[in-house]
Amino acid sequence: AIQLTQSPSSLSASVGDRVTITCRASQGISSALAWYQQKPGKAPKLLIYDASSLESGVPSRFSGSGSGTDFTLTISSLQPEDFATYYCQQFNSYFLTFGGGTKVEIK
Amino acid sequence: EVQLVQSGAEVKKPGESLKISCKGSGYSFTSYWIGWVRQMPGKGLEWMGIIYPGDSDTRYSPSFQGQVTISADKSISTAYLQWSSLKASDTAMYYCVRGDDAFDIWGQGTMVTVSS
Repeated sequence: AIQLTQSPSSLSASVGDRVTITCRASQGISSALAWYQQKPGKAPKLLIYDASSLESGVPSRFSGSGSGTDFTLTISSLQPEDFATYYCQQFNSYFLTFGGGTKVEIK
Repeated sequence: EVQLVQSGAEVKKPGESLKISCKGSGYSFTSYWIGWVRQMPGKGLEWMGIIYPGDSDTRYSPSFQGQVTISADKSISTAYLQWSSLKASDTAMYYCVRGDDAFDIWGQGTMVTVSS
Protein backbone atom coordinates (compact mmCIF):
# COMPACT_ATOMS: atom_id res chain seq x y z
CA ALA A 1 0.00 0.00 0.00
CA ILE A 2 1.07 3.56 -0.66
CA GLN A 3 2.28 5.33 2.49
CA LEU A 4 1.67 9.04 3.05
CA THR A 5 3.98 10.96 5.39
CA GLN A 6 2.80 14.34 6.63
CA SER A 7 5.04 16.96 8.15
CA PRO A 8 5.10 18.47 10.60
CA SER A 9 2.91 16.35 12.87
CA SER A 10 1.98 19.51 14.74
CA LEU A 11 2.67 23.22 14.55
CA SER A 12 1.89 26.37 16.48
CA ALA A 13 0.94 29.49 14.57
CA SER A 14 -0.73 32.85 15.07
CA VAL A 15 -3.77 34.33 13.41
CA GLY A 16 -2.68 35.86 10.12
CA ASP A 17 0.30 33.54 9.63
CA ARG A 18 0.94 31.68 6.41
CA VAL A 19 0.94 27.94 7.15
CA THR A 20 2.31 25.15 4.95
CA ILE A 21 1.78 21.42 5.51
CA THR A 22 3.49 18.82 3.37
CA CYS A 23 2.49 15.30 2.38
CA ARG A 24 4.93 12.89 0.76
CA ALA A 25 3.83 9.68 -0.96
CA SER A 26 5.96 6.53 -0.95
CA GLN A 27 5.48 6.28 -4.73
CA GLY A 28 4.10 8.51 -7.44
CA ILE A 29 0.34 9.14 -7.27
CA SER A 30 -0.04 11.72 -10.06
CA SER A 31 -2.51 14.30 -8.71
CA ALA A 32 -4.73 11.80 -6.87
CA LEU A 33 -4.58 13.55 -3.51
CA ALA A 34 -7.13 15.18 -1.23
CA TRP A 35 -6.86 17.29 1.91
CA TYR A 36 -9.30 17.29 4.83
CA GLN A 37 -9.84 19.43 7.91
CA GLN A 38 -11.08 17.89 11.14
CA LYS A 39 -12.16 19.82 14.22
CA PRO A 40 -12.55 18.12 17.61
CA GLY A 41 -15.69 16.02 17.86
CA LYS A 42 -16.59 16.56 14.21
CA ALA A 43 -16.37 14.56 11.01
CA PRO A 44 -13.59 15.57 8.61
CA LYS A 45 -14.40 18.02 5.83
CA LEU A 46 -13.03 17.91 2.29
CA LEU A 47 -10.95 20.99 1.43
CA ILE A 48 -8.96 20.11 -1.70
CA TYR A 49 -9.26 17.31 -4.26
CA ASP A 50 -7.11 16.34 -7.25
CA ALA A 51 -4.19 17.97 -5.40
CA SER A 52 -5.17 21.56 -6.20
CA SER A 53 -8.92 21.87 -6.80
CA LEU A 54 -10.81 23.77 -4.12
CA GLU A 55 -13.98 22.09 -2.91
CA SER A 56 -17.09 24.22 -3.27
CA GLY A 57 -17.66 26.49 -0.29
CA VAL A 58 -14.09 26.29 1.02
CA PRO A 59 -12.43 29.68 1.57
CA SER A 60 -9.86 30.72 -1.03
CA ARG A 61 -7.14 31.11 1.64
CA PHE A 62 -6.77 27.32 1.34
CA SER A 63 -4.75 26.05 -1.60
CA GLY A 64 -3.10 22.82 -2.63
CA SER A 65 -0.21 22.07 -4.94
CA GLY A 66 2.04 19.26 -6.06
CA SER A 67 2.04 16.09 -8.11
CA GLY A 68 3.88 12.82 -8.16
CA THR A 69 5.18 12.30 -4.62
CA ASP A 70 5.30 15.75 -3.00
CA PHE A 71 2.27 17.81 -2.07
CA THR A 72 1.53 20.94 -0.08
CA LEU A 73 -1.49 22.43 1.65
CA THR A 74 -1.17 26.17 2.26
CA ILE A 75 -3.33 28.44 4.38
CA SER A 76 -2.44 31.94 3.23
CA SER A 77 -3.64 33.81 6.33
CA LEU A 78 -4.61 31.63 9.29
CA GLN A 79 -7.99 32.40 10.81
CA PRO A 80 -9.29 31.43 14.29
CA GLU A 81 -11.60 28.81 12.77
CA ASP A 82 -8.67 27.10 10.99
CA PHE A 83 -7.18 25.63 14.15
CA ALA A 84 -7.78 21.94 13.53
CA THR A 85 -6.11 18.75 12.35
CA TYR A 86 -5.41 18.32 8.65
CA TYR A 87 -5.09 15.02 6.76
CA CYS A 88 -3.97 14.16 3.26
CA GLN A 89 -5.39 11.12 1.47
CA GLN A 90 -4.39 9.39 -1.77
CA PHE A 91 -6.75 7.71 -4.20
CA ASN A 92 -4.32 6.64 -6.91
CA SER A 93 -4.10 3.01 -5.87
CA TYR A 94 -6.64 0.25 -5.39
CA PHE A 95 -6.23 0.72 -1.63
CA LEU A 96 -6.83 4.24 -0.38
CA THR A 97 -4.70 5.63 2.45
CA PHE A 98 -4.47 8.67 4.73
CA GLY A 99 -1.51 10.56 6.08
CA GLY A 100 -0.94 10.66 9.82
CA GLY A 101 -2.32 14.17 10.28
CA THR A 102 -1.01 17.63 11.19
CA LYS A 103 -2.44 19.44 14.20
CA VAL A 104 -2.47 23.22 13.86
CA GLU A 105 -2.53 24.89 17.26
CA ILE A 106 -2.70 28.46 18.49
CA LYS A 107 0.64 30.06 19.38
CA GLU B 1 -29.54 18.06 0.68
CA VAL B 2 -26.99 15.33 0.06
CA GLN B 3 -26.26 13.53 3.29
CA LEU B 4 -25.23 10.33 4.96
CA VAL B 5 -26.92 9.58 8.27
CA GLN B 6 -25.43 6.92 10.50
CA SER B 7 -26.95 4.80 13.25
CA GLY B 8 -26.40 5.69 16.89
CA ALA B 9 -23.64 4.91 19.35
CA GLU B 10 -23.17 1.32 20.47
CA VAL B 11 -21.76 -0.24 23.64
CA LYS B 12 -20.93 -3.93 23.30
CA LYS B 13 -19.02 -6.68 25.05
CA PRO B 14 -16.08 -8.54 23.55
CA GLY B 15 -17.21 -11.43 21.39
CA GLU B 16 -20.57 -9.87 20.52
CA SER B 17 -21.66 -9.13 16.97
CA LEU B 18 -22.62 -5.73 15.61
CA LYS B 19 -23.95 -4.14 12.43
CA ILE B 20 -23.98 -0.36 12.03
CA SER B 21 -25.68 1.51 9.22
CA CYS B 22 -25.32 4.52 6.95
CA LYS B 23 -28.32 5.85 5.00
CA GLY B 24 -27.79 8.03 1.98
CA SER B 25 -30.24 10.65 0.76
CA GLY B 26 -30.41 13.52 -1.69
CA TYR B 27 -28.54 11.72 -4.47
CA SER B 28 -28.55 8.51 -6.51
CA PHE B 29 -27.32 6.01 -3.93
CA THR B 30 -26.50 3.35 -6.50
CA SER B 31 -24.22 5.66 -8.51
CA TYR B 32 -21.55 6.37 -5.88
CA TRP B 33 -19.20 4.22 -3.87
CA ILE B 34 -19.71 4.24 -0.09
CA GLY B 35 -16.73 3.69 2.17
CA TRP B 36 -15.94 3.30 5.85
CA VAL B 37 -13.23 5.10 7.82
CA ARG B 38 -12.08 4.23 11.34
CA GLN B 39 -10.74 6.69 13.88
CA MET B 40 -9.51 5.19 17.13
CA PRO B 41 -9.57 7.49 20.19
CA GLY B 42 -7.04 10.29 19.78
CA LYS B 43 -5.70 8.79 16.55
CA GLY B 44 -5.78 9.43 12.81
CA LEU B 45 -8.04 8.27 10.00
CA GLU B 46 -7.87 4.75 8.53
CA TRP B 47 -9.63 3.67 5.33
CA MET B 48 -11.36 0.33 5.85
CA GLY B 49 -13.02 -0.44 2.54
CA ILE B 50 -15.73 0.53 0.08
CA ILE B 51 -18.78 -0.86 -1.67
CA TYR B 52 -20.58 0.12 -4.87
CA PRO B 53 -24.26 -0.24 -4.02
CA GLY B 54 -25.20 -0.55 -7.68
CA ASP B 55 -23.65 -4.03 -7.98
CA SER B 56 -22.26 -4.68 -4.45
CA ASP B 57 -18.68 -4.72 -5.72
CA THR B 58 -16.60 -4.48 -2.52
CA ARG B 59 -12.97 -3.68 -1.78
CA TYR B 60 -11.22 -3.98 1.61
CA SER B 61 -8.05 -2.50 3.01
CA PRO B 62 -5.59 -5.35 3.72
CA SER B 63 -5.64 -4.21 7.36
CA PHE B 64 -9.37 -4.91 7.65
CA GLN B 65 -9.89 -7.82 5.23
CA GLY B 66 -11.47 -10.67 7.17
CA GLN B 67 -12.09 -8.49 10.23
CA VAL B 68 -15.27 -6.74 9.06
CA THR B 69 -17.94 -7.12 6.39
CA ILE B 70 -19.24 -4.25 4.27
CA SER B 71 -22.62 -4.61 2.60
CA ALA B 72 -25.42 -2.50 1.17
CA ASP B 73 -29.15 -2.66 0.56
CA LYS B 74 -29.84 -0.43 -2.41
CA SER B 75 -33.61 -0.75 -1.96
CA ILE B 76 -33.34 1.38 1.19
CA SER B 77 -30.19 3.35 0.24
CA THR B 78 -28.28 1.98 3.20
CA ALA B 79 -24.76 0.66 3.65
CA TYR B 80 -23.58 -1.46 6.54
CA LEU B 81 -20.44 -2.31 8.46
CA GLN B 82 -20.54 -5.43 10.57
CA TRP B 83 -18.44 -7.47 12.97
CA SER B 84 -19.05 -11.11 13.92
CA SER B 85 -16.95 -11.01 17.09
CA LEU B 86 -15.94 -7.66 18.51
CA LYS B 87 -12.67 -6.99 20.31
CA ALA B 88 -11.75 -4.20 22.70
CA SER B 89 -9.45 -2.87 19.98
CA ASP B 90 -12.52 -2.22 17.78
CA THR B 91 -13.41 0.69 20.07
CA ALA B 92 -13.45 3.68 17.74
CA MET B 93 -15.49 6.21 15.84
CA TYR B 94 -16.60 4.90 12.46
CA TYR B 95 -17.49 7.23 9.59
CA CYS B 96 -19.19 6.36 6.35
CA VAL B 97 -18.09 8.41 3.34
CA ARG B 98 -19.17 8.90 -0.25
CA GLY B 99 -16.74 8.21 -3.04
CA ASP B 100 -13.85 6.03 -4.14
CA ASP B 101 -11.51 8.98 -4.59
CA ALA B 102 -11.94 12.18 -2.56
CA PHE B 103 -14.65 11.79 0.09
CA ASP B 104 -16.98 14.72 -0.44
CA ILE B 105 -19.73 13.64 1.95
CA TRP B 106 -19.20 12.24 5.46
CA GLY B 107 -21.65 10.74 7.89
CA GLN B 108 -21.77 12.12 11.42
CA GLY B 109 -19.97 9.09 12.79
CA THR B 110 -20.96 6.11 14.94
CA MET B 111 -19.05 5.58 18.19
CA VAL B 112 -18.53 1.90 18.97
CA THR B 113 -17.33 1.03 22.47
CA VAL B 114 -16.31 -2.53 23.26
CA SER B 115 -15.76 -3.21 26.93
CA SER B 116 -16.32 -6.03 29.36
